[in-house]
Formats: sequence, structure tokens, C-alpha cells
Amino acid sequence: DAGITQSPRHKVTETGTPVTLRCHQTENHRYMYWYRQDPGHGLRLIHYSYGVKDTDKGEVSDGYSVSRSKTEDFLLTLESATSSQTSVYFCAISEPPWVGSNYGYTFGSGTRLTVV
Amino acid sequence: QQPVQSPQAVILREGEDAVINCSSSKALYSVHWYRQKHGEAPVFLMILLKGGEQKGHEKISASFNEKKQQSSLYLTASQLSYSGTYFCGTGGQGDDKIIFGKGTRLHILP
Repeated sequence: DAGITQSPRHKVTETGTPVTLRCHQTENHRYMYWYRQDPGHGLRLIHYSYGVKDTDKGEVSDGYSVSRSKTEDFLLTLESATSSQTSVYFCAISEPPWVGSNYGYTFGSGTRLTVV
Repeated sequence: QQPVQSPQAVILREGEDAVINCSSSKALYSVHWYRQKHGEAPVFLMILLKGGEQKGHEKISASFNEKKQQSSLYLTASQLSYSGTYFCGTGGQGDDKIIFGKGTRLHILP
């Protein structure tokens, strides 16, 4: 009922393997975001999308790529996972305030990724 | 430019008041506030837009001073359920993303 789901919820993978995380929304929001959360760093933006096939980098984009082929789906790929990418990954959806939006980001439940 | 939150952590007794501050080095158009409980996703509390407005949400309110590039979150007569980590997120005019601060951990004791 939250309108945004992430999968998988937990994943353990080996160093050097590719990993794809999925974010799915049913709210038809134009904007979708991928953040990672690590102790002491808060939420840091990896990549975001402002429409189908329209994406841009965030502050910690190295080693990650994204794709958005449909409004409802935003995929995050770790091209070759490293231990430094062990983290909790959150997807979020929103509409920016200048279009009249008065609500903030809605976050998915998160994916806990461990790279061993 | 990541906004700076203060304090980093605060411990209160139930019923006491708290103020969490968020300041930025860039001109702001919007300030968001979120609360995150351990093991859960952040939850949106409120958004303040340029104009120096103050907003309220139950016993939680916030102010936004765009001239000082600061926002403050006020928690009045805190309840046990207010425990968690509070994040501010800031955006400039035309920004289509917000940058989050590192968070303020709030612990309420009975």
C-alpha cells in the first residue's frame, strides 16, 4: 500500500559479481532516486531519474549504473561488487516542489547488501 | 554541499523539548525533514519552501529562514515514539534532488 517496493530485501554476494537491485512504484511519479546509507554518512545519492531513459549521477555514482525503461521501474546495478559497496540501499520517489508538490520523498523498505 | 545538522545526538526524558538545527552553505529553496527508526526506512515529516514559513505536525513543527539558510525542527513535549534519527534534506531553486545531512539521533527516556 506504500506504492513503492524494493527487491530483494537482503542479498549476500561475492566480490566481483554484478548485482542488480530493483525499485518498483505504483504512484506514477516522475522522479526516482537511489541512495545508500552507511553509519556516519547519512543518506548519499547514487543516481536518480527524472523520466523514462532520463538519468543523472549523484554524489557517489562510481561503480554503479542505473536504467529506467518504464515509469514504474528503476534498476540499480553494481557492475562488479566490492566490499566498500556493502550498505543499505534505499529507493525513493517524489515530485519536485516547483511543480506544486507539497510532499517529500517516499522511501522503499531498503535492500541490505553484503559483499563478501 | 551537504547540510550540517546539530546536535549529532541528544538524549531527553519524556515530556522535554528538543530543537534540531540544519544549516546550509548554499541558497535554499526547500528543506525536508524525515525521521528514521532503527531498521526502517526514513519517513517524511514535512517540507518547507522558500518564504520563511513555519509548519506544524502534531507536536512537531519546523521553521525555515532562507536568509540564514537554516531550518530548525522543534519537538515539543517529546514522546517515546519520537525516538529515532532525524534527517534534514535541502535543495536549491530548480534542484530536482535534495542532499541529506548526516542526521541527529534522538533518544527519549521514560
